[in-house]
Amino acid sequence: DSGVTQTPKHLITATGQRVTLRCSPRSGDLSVYWYQQSLDQGLQFLIQYYNGEERAKGNILERFSAQQFPDLHSELNLSSLELGDSALYFCASSSSGGELFFGEGSRLTVL
Amino acid sequence: QKEVEQDPGPLSVPEGAIVSLNCTYSNSAFQYFMWYRQYSRKGPELLMYTYSSGNKEDGRFTAQVDKSSKYISLFIRDSQPSDSATYLCAAGPPSGGGADGLTFGKGTHLIIQP
Repeated sequence: DSGVTQTPKHLITATGQRVTLRCSPRSGDLSVYWYQQSLDQGLQFLIQYYNGEERAKGNILERFSAQQFPDLHSELNLSSLELGDSALYFCASSSSGGELFFGEGSRLTVL
Repeated sequence: QKEVEQDPGPLSVPEGAIVSLNCTYSNSAFQYFMWYRQYSRKGPELLMYTYSSGNKEDGRFTAQVDKSSKYISLFIRDSQPSDSATYLCAAGPPSGGGADGLTFGKGTHLIIQP
């Protein structure tokens, strides 16, 4: 158990809908990262937050947004969903050492 | 060219064999390197983490980094069926997590045959 909690584990929705994925980092970790994993693209970095502030952006679509709250949990919002958004979405947290600890992921299926 | 390249496999070897998993990277700014193991439908878990060139050993696992050739390897001795998983290499800049976090390879799917 990495200590990172993600909900929901599975989500099935329709094109055009909006979903919110939630992540609670390991106790004491200030950084939260979101990654998307698909078969053809591998693990793609989406966005990083540090202590409530956006720190870095990767390949995140404009239809996607995220935030980190004062209690350090984070949410990833995906809107106007398309079939191609079906993937595993991972949250990871880290302390200052740079090692990432991943949650179990949220599997999103868009029909 | 992706910054971190891995052969996706699958790589199938008999139980007890020595496994060699490899990655190459292109960004000279990368200074720290990791190997993650991912079982099917699970999150990646950290196996090995190193900053320097050379070897780092942990039980049956040895990570090797050659910065001059930008080559990363993971060796697994006495491989077990429970080692069957996808192995992801990752590399990152020196600021620990950095502005872009780690860059991951696509992973090599390893199968250990009993």
